[in-house]
Amino acid sequence: GAGVSQSPSNKVTEKGKDVELRCDPISGHTALYWYRQSLGQGLEFLIYFQGNSAPDKSGLPSDRFSAERTGGSVSTLTIQRTQQEDSAVYLCASSFGQGSPLHFGNGTRLTVT
Amino acid sequence: SQQGEEDPQALSIQEGENATMNCSYKTSINNLQWYRQNSGRGLVHLILIRSNEREKHSGRLRVTLDTSKKSSSLLITASRAADTASYFCATDAGNAGKSTFGDGTTLTVKP
Repeated sequence: GAGVSQSPSNKVTEKGKDVELRCDPISGHTALYWYRQSLGQGLEFLIYFQGNSAPDKSGLPSDRFSAERTGGSVSTLTIQRTQQEDSAVYLCASSFGQGSPLHFGNGTRLTVT
Repeated sequence: SQQGEEDPQALSIQEGENATMNCSYKTSINNLQWYRQNSGRGLVHLILIRSNEREKHSGRLRVTLDTSKKSSSLLITASRAADTASYFCATDAGNAGKSTFGDGTTLTVKP
């Protein structure tokens, strides 16, 4: 079946603009994760959704970052008033829940100029 | 700070040699997973080892887990040029649900 799909694959935006990044998880996966990866670095946890539970937002770096997951499926990560330090690859993953392997999308490369 | 830390940061070997990467973590875990990332792509799950397991095999991959030392190793035997990638360990700890990743080991296999 289809894997995790992220769009857009690349986004260039001007400093101060808002951006929305989309993630379509694998059908039936109850858990959805957003991570951020700077060039040559590891993955920085941002936010985690599990079923109908309140999301774990502990990794969001500032209040400019927010995420929603509608209907337990598609998720949108929104970054308001983008800054140059927001430039990174934003990776989405989904799974059947705790203890299950994560399936990653190919990410959205965000460049803030 | 990251829960898992891999070492070495970079490893370069000849095709056919074995590659060993290590991961250390800080808190008790439910399981540990290894992932591979090719340049410009998402991560691909390789293998999961649970906290009550000590060793696991999958093809040319061998993973060990030592919970007393809070460490794991990934061994790739008879490496191939196609194994060139970054390798990450990720840990599931407690009831947090989220997986926490290390900074990865960049492996280069020279043909």
